[in-house]
Amino acid sequence: DGGITQSPKYLFRKEGQNVTLSCEQNLNHDAMYWYRQDPGQGLRLIYYSQIVNDFQKGDIAEGYSVSREKKESFPLTVTSAQKNPTAFYLCASSMPGLALTGELFFGEGSRLTVL
Amino acid sequence: AQSVTQPDIHITVSEGASLELRCNYSYGATPYLFWYVQSPGQGLQLLLKYFSGDTLVQGIKGFEAEFKRSQSSFNLRKPSVHWSDAAEYFCAVVPWGNTPLVFGKGTRLSVIA
Repeated sequence: DGGITQSPKYLFRKEGQNVTLSCEQNLNHDAMYWYRQDPGQGLRLIYYSQIVNDFQKGDIAEGYSVSREKKESFPLTVTSAQKNPTAFYLCASSMPGLALTGELFFGEGSRLTVL
Repeated sequence: AQSVTQPDIHITVSEGASLELRCNYSYGATPYLFWYVQSPGQGLQLLLKYFSGDTLVQGIKGFEAEFKRSQSSFNLRKPSVHWSDAAEYFCAVVPWGNTPLVFGKGTRLSVIA
């Protein structure tokens, strides 16, 4: 089945450690996104990529990094510079022309807890 | 500041009762408007969208939404709520062009017997 796979579903990290969240899609979508979700805060955009080898910062990019070497993959690294990394992270993808289709396809999320 | 506002953090309704979730936006031009639903611990699913034309749009699961330009609103409605509708609902906009979606903070819906 086509979809978006995020892994791991749950992740625990010690302070000062970097961690990478995986996002893979087999929908042949050009655009991919990372959102962070905190209780009562909605979804906030971290990074997005509309094409391979190119990505843009979202509203809360500080302390995060991404790469887009393949169309199918858009991993997110939460670095030690991120002050409050405990959150639920959602990866999404869309066809080109989001404004025309309006539909983001979401993975099931990764919950990161910093101990 | 440009934003999407969902005034209600949490709403509780009885099963079978009607539902209206509010959404207001503050963008100069009419953005593209969406409603998404999220079940606990899951990703989001698109309920419906508005681009132009008829201001009353139908979506999945029996939901509808009405765009009111004069009120900068895009409220979500359902005539009769089912227990399975308990979830979190997000209003979202594409402000212009191909910019990413901007989400409201969400409204959590609880359904009681």
